[in-house]
Amino acid sequence: ETGVTQSPTHLIKTRGQQVTLRCSSQSGHNTVSWYQQALGQGPQFIFQYYREEENGRGNFPPRFSGLQFPNYSSELNVNALELDDSALYLCASSSGRINEKLFFGSGTQLSVL
Amino acid sequence: DAKTTQPTSMDCAEGRAANLPCNHSTISGNEYVYWYRQIHSQGPQYIIHGLKNNETNEMASLIITEDRKSSTLILPHATLRDTAVYYCIVKVKGGGADGLTFGKGTHLIIQP
Repeated sequence: ETGVTQSPTHLIKTRGQQVTLRCSSQSGHNTVSWYQQALGQGPQFIFQYYREEENGRGNFPPRFSGLQFPNYSSELNVNALELDDSALYLCASSSGRINEKLFFGSGTQLSVL
Repeated sequence: DAKTTQPTSMDCAEGRAANLPCNHSTISGNEYVYWYRQIHSQGPQYIIHGLKNNETNEMASLIITEDRKSSTLILPHATLRDTAVYYCIVKVKGGGADGLTFGKGTHLIIQP
């Protein structure tokens, strides 16, 4: 158990819809990052939030956006869903602006039909 | 960040030491080696990291060659619960908020 919780655990959407995924970070952690994991692949970095500001982003289009709240919980929003967005979305928390020791949640499995 | 090469899969007998290799021949002097593992249906779990000295913690040992071009993660007494995908990652510690670059990792299967 890492103390990082994600909701929902599973979600089914149709192409073109919008989705919001949620993450509660481990107590004491002020940084949250999001990763996308396609089937059979390693996780791919989407972006990171530190003290409510995005401070790092991977190679994902602007329709992937996020928020971090004062309690350090976070949301990942994806607009105009595409079939290729079907994946496991992982949230990770850590302490400090840049920290490679991440604590991951179990993820949200998103299926886009 | 430098790239890593790992075998796609490995088997190990329960109770034996599992040795997982990783090649990182283009590693820079300030890049650390990090290991994570991902058990089925869970998120990745941090195991250990090191720069050039061998490291040991309650989960595993990390052996880095003197030229730092390769490393080995050792699980001293593997159990069935160690069956997972193991990822070797190299990154400058605190070098940028650009996340971790996961490859496909090594699928370690512990045989009873």
